[in-house]
Amino acid sequence: DAKTTQPTSMDCAEGRAANLPCNHSTISGNEYVYWYRQIHSQGPQYIIHGLKNNETNEMASLIITEDRKSSTLILPHATLRDTAVYYCIVRVFNAGGTSYGKLTFGQGTILTVHP
Amino acid sequence: KAGVTQTPRYLIKTRGQQVTLSCSPISGHRSVSWYQQTPGQGLQFLFEYFSETQRNKGNFPGRFSGRQFSNSRSEMNVSTLELGDSALYLCASSFRAGDAGANVLTFGAGSRLTVL
Repeated sequence: DAKTTQPTSMDCAEGRAANLPCNHSTISGNEYVYWYRQIHSQGPQYIIHGLKNNETNEMASLIITEDRKSSTLILPHATLRDTAVYYCIVRVFNAGGTSYGKLTFGQGTILTVHP
Repeated sequence: KAGVTQTPRYLIKTRGQQVTLSCSPISGHRSVSWYQQTPGQGLQFLFEYFSETQRNKGNFPGRFSGRQFSNSRSEMNVSTLELGDSALYLCASSFRAGDAGANVLTFGAGSRLTVL
């Protein structure tokens, strides 16, 4: 799976959009971008994933550049409860393969939302 | 629907002992994966089970083992505990099918093990 690079920490004001970048310059054509977050002392929580098109769900939006070498997770209206470590993960979707349950977590970005 | 349930949530053991942790996946999920999280190493993949068979294994010593039952529930065991085994052990389940959307992991709250 491709390696990702994320800033160590970011701050955001409550109510504002939080834009979390991720660099994955070695991504290959069959690798998806996944985002998870982990609130203190809880298990990681899935947020969103995408291959090459921008994606949006009830939690966030994912913007992937045209060359797919980077992406941005957008939390449109951050709240204090969004304070967490955010992980950007790139992985091969391996239908019928052996890697379904394996995610390679980096250090992630610590997002702190301030009142 | 009920989430991934891990038991016990907290436990304290001494060096040399063994420990068994349990994980009940989301109903219908057939894949269970285990992760170890420590402040120094972060989140690391231990192993994955599907249809009662280990499908993938991380880089951990043989003291770490697991199994999966016919109802998809899983247990992991750590024998001869060392101080460095103190960690949050997380279980995740997934449907494991041919759709990337279904390839999302749902994590439990974890079992926090302290080895004294």
